[in-house]
Amino acid sequence: GESVGLHLPTLSVQEGDNSIINCAYSNSASDYFIWYKQESGKGPQFIIDIRSNMDKRQGQRVTVLLNKTVKHLSLQIAATQPGDSAVYFCAETRTGTASKLTFGTGTRLQVTL
Amino acid sequence: ETGVTQSPTHLIKTRGQQVTLRCSSQSGHNTVSWYQQALGQGPQFIFQYYREEENGRGNFPPRFSGLQFPNYSSELNVNALELDDSALYLCASRLRQANTEAFFGQGTRLTVV
Repeated sequence: GESVGLHLPTLSVQEGDNSIINCAYSNSASDYFIWYKQESGKGPQFIIDIRSNMDKRQGQRVTVLLNKTVKHLSLQIAATQPGDSAVYFCAETRTGTASKLTFGTGTRLQVTL
Repeated sequence: ETGVTQSPTHLIKTRGQQVTLRCSSQSGHNTVSWYQQALGQGPQFIFQYYREEENGRGNFPPRFSGLQFPNYSSELNVNALELDDSALYLCASRLRQANTEAFFGQGTRLTVV
């Protein structure tokens, strides 16, 4: 199938290592942030979200950190697996407009064996 | 699987033609939004529908229009197709009252030649 993100920044990690994907957001009024994973030929898949009243949230193998001072988000994936290979997007929105997501440029994660 | 389905999955049209893309939202979701994703980029918000009315629009010309039906399914219509309209078109649905993340379909890959 066609590739998503042919010219995106790429992060290459070895299987079993931890991955950290960073994202800068643009709107200081945004109060809800989401990380999506997009595999080739598929739509974005929800990974984890965080609201602006938190600075950290953990899921299964994933952690999102939010730094509102510098408008920065990060996604940490523990014990990265080959199935984690995909393009990762952060998205921001303001409560009440949560369908109007503004996406970042994306990062391609490549997991090597 | 998110429960959001889009049709068709792939489509080839000629410049100047018109196209209609379809989306069935996840059961119980009353808000549908459409995004355009050019190759190598993040999705761009086109518009959102709630209660069969357009409720928010991104920076897209009027030749991009839509509909939402009483069963919350939706259509995206694009008139006078241009080569730059070639992209993956994504539909996302959510329950407005829940104010949570949107769930995406797999997208329709439109190629304009």
